[in-house]
Amino acid sequence: EADIYQTPRYLVIGTGKKITLECSQTMGHDKMYWYQQDPGMELHLIHYSYGVNSTEKGDLSSESTVSRIRTEHFPLTLESARPSHTSQYLCASSSFSVLAGGEQYFGPGTRLTVT
Amino acid sequence: GNSVTQMEGPVTLSEEAFLTINCTYTATGYPSLFWYVQYPGEGLQLLLKATKADDKGSNKGFEATYRKETTSFHLEKGSVQVSDSAVYFCALSDRERDDKIIFGKGTRLHILP
Repeated sequence: EADIYQTPRYLVIGTGKKITLECSQTMGHDKMYWYQQDPGMELHLIHYSYGVNSTEKGDLSSESTVSRIRTEHFPLTLESARPSHTSQYLCASSSFSVLAGGEQYFGPGTRLTVT
Repeated sequence: GNSVTQMEGPVTLSEEAFLTINCTYTATGYPSLFWYVQYPGEGLQLLLKATKADDKGSNKGFEATYRKETTSFHLEKGSVQVSDSAVYFCALSDRERDDKIIFGKGTRLHILP
């Protein structure tokens, strides 16, 4: 069983608020990822990190930012939430070893609603 | 670029029916192939994987064979249960391109009792 956690699980917040979605993993994985999942289920990579102090933007442009100060922690921040940010956000991690086949372990997700 | 194309849903079957969800891919290099499953209200879980041609991944009665000649990785199960109702994602990881995973758009499966 994968040990990757996301909090909160559900968040309803008003427009203009600053929010941080938390993601932590206890597996010592170097790689971590944030995905945005739209109502049609499709996953879009918005941020990823290959280790401490490494962050990159993903395939889908996002107004969110991320940081990676500790290996186990990869928070995502929205400085000013808007209704267009309403979505499901999934965090994932993977081992650096190519022998692992690059599989990713997912957290349970945060469902964000901006009113 | 690399891509994954999977069967559009929703797919609705009766309990004990045979399941196939088609998946084909386009990739350079030597990808690993995966099926992930997402149950309602949860994140994705790895269901099975195959890392080289002709490998068969299997788990919980599900199987998929890595077919390089047809660039396919179809998911099958001989007898589905109501508890198999979920969204299924086919994916590939190209180890020559930074180990990112490319997901298909997902196929929603409904199993009727």
